[in-house]
Amino acid sequence: QKEVEQDPGPLSVPEGAIVSLNCTYSNSAFQYFMWYRQYSRKGPELLMYTYSSGNKEDGRFTAQVDKSSKYISLFIRDSQPSDSATYLCAMKVTGGGNKLTFGTGTQLKVEL
Amino acid sequence: DTAVSQTPKYLVTQMGNDKSIKCEQNLGHDTMYWYKQDSKKFLKIMFSYNNKELIINETVPNRFSPKSPDKAHLNLHINSLELGDSAVYFCASSNTGGNQPQHFGDGTRLSIL
Repeated sequence: QKEVEQDPGPLSVPEGAIVSLNCTYSNSAFQYFMWYRQYSRKGPELLMYTYSSGNKEDGRFTAQVDKSSKYISLFIRDSQPSDSATYLCAMKVTGGGNKLTFGTGTQLKVEL
Repeated sequence: DTAVSQTPKYLVTQMGNDKSIKCEQNLGHDTMYWYKQDSKKFLKIMFSYNNKELIINETVPNRFSPKSPDKAHLNLHINSLELGDSAVYFCASSNTGGNQPQHFGDGTRLSIL
């Protein structure tokens, strides 16, 4: 069993839909949680970065962390075709050489 | 200006050859990383260097040898390439510290024939 589990999709939604992307993890030592977006043939780019449990909002994106359930989510409101990409969750422990552990990524397609 | 740049973008070579991938960052970061992304998009760390010192060395065959001539550069040399080495290799950089995000390059696509 991987330390971080993520539904690979693909997930296809109509433009304007609310998208929910999720990851579960098994290592309770994870303290920092990130969401990266990766377009085809590009490197991952950081979207959201959270430390504590709760919600963090940035424009159309909301990151949610529930440490008690070992569950994190990324919500995308008013989804656009430009949001079509693979979304990777990542997490790390305090210290540990800044090592990121990634989920397998969810492929999202937003259709017109 | 490209923040983290890798060369080459594509590398096609025969099994058994030796090849190198170069990475440079102009963000002033002190830590650099190599990741491998397989065909299923799973991204896994291989190495990290902080100020030219090896910090993370995951379970990677010793055919892979990273080298950091200075804190802005981290190269990856691979000996005796095997079919299973086909993947996309990403370089990343960050500053030291628990809440410092990592910035990625656009990857080097390695194909072994």
